[in-house]
Amino acid sequence: AQKVTQTQTSISVMEKTTVTMDCVYETQDSSYFLFWYKQTASGEIVFLIRQDSYKKENATVGHYSLNFQKPKSSIGLIITATQIEDSAVYFCAMREGAQGGRALIFGTGTTVSVSP
Amino acid sequence: DAGVTQTPRHEVAEKGQTIILKCEPVSGHNDLFWYRQTKIQGLELLSYFRSKSLMEDGGAFKDRFKAEMLNSSFSTLKIQPTEPKDSAVYLCASSLRSSQNTLYFGAGTRLSVL
Repeated sequence: AQKVTQTQTSISVMEKTTVTMDCVYETQDSSYFLFWYKQTASGEIVFLIRQDSYKKENATVGHYSLNFQKPKSSIGLIITATQIEDSAVYFCAMREGAQGGRALIFGTGTTVSVSP
Repeated sequence: DAGVTQTPRHEVAEKGQTIILKCEPVSGHNDLFWYRQTKIQGLELLSYFRSKSLMEDGGAFKDRFKAEMLNSSFSTLKIQPTEPKDSAVYLCASSLRSSQNTLYFGAGTRLSVL
């Protein structure tokens, strides 16, 4: 059975610093995709970044990057040079299979608070 | 392009009532998902459709929850009968077919059951 676990409930950081969030997953599939989503205070959920299981290189988009450690079934999110607007809830998610047919499963989220 | 549209944005129901939530996915998307979001449980899968076929449903939600794809561009989630523990935000999302494609979320329907 697939499962996604985020153990950090909340993190507080100062603006312009780096924040790291943890996520571990469980899957029996050899092919899967890992995602991070952000939910803002307004409730809007937006996609941030994706890691394909078959890729060794860590994905990077803007000031978001991933720390993919496949042997540990771990996919951490790193936000560098944080801004006040990065305050949000961050969800890790996984989808099994290359062709789809399986739903996206989410972790419980990590709340990040960025202070000036 | 229009995103995922959910109506209503807010719903208040008395215990025992039947409520129907609606969702219009992004045009051209094959996959449609319904999730329930609460602070304690986070985002829980209710149903997943591909091109109108039910692919997965959340085991804990089979009893009083029924989602349907009436056509490729319209889905409903019926809760019958409602209970106070159903108070939550119900989210609809859609995506293109392949697993690497991101989900696009609607703004959600906030349900309060009294």
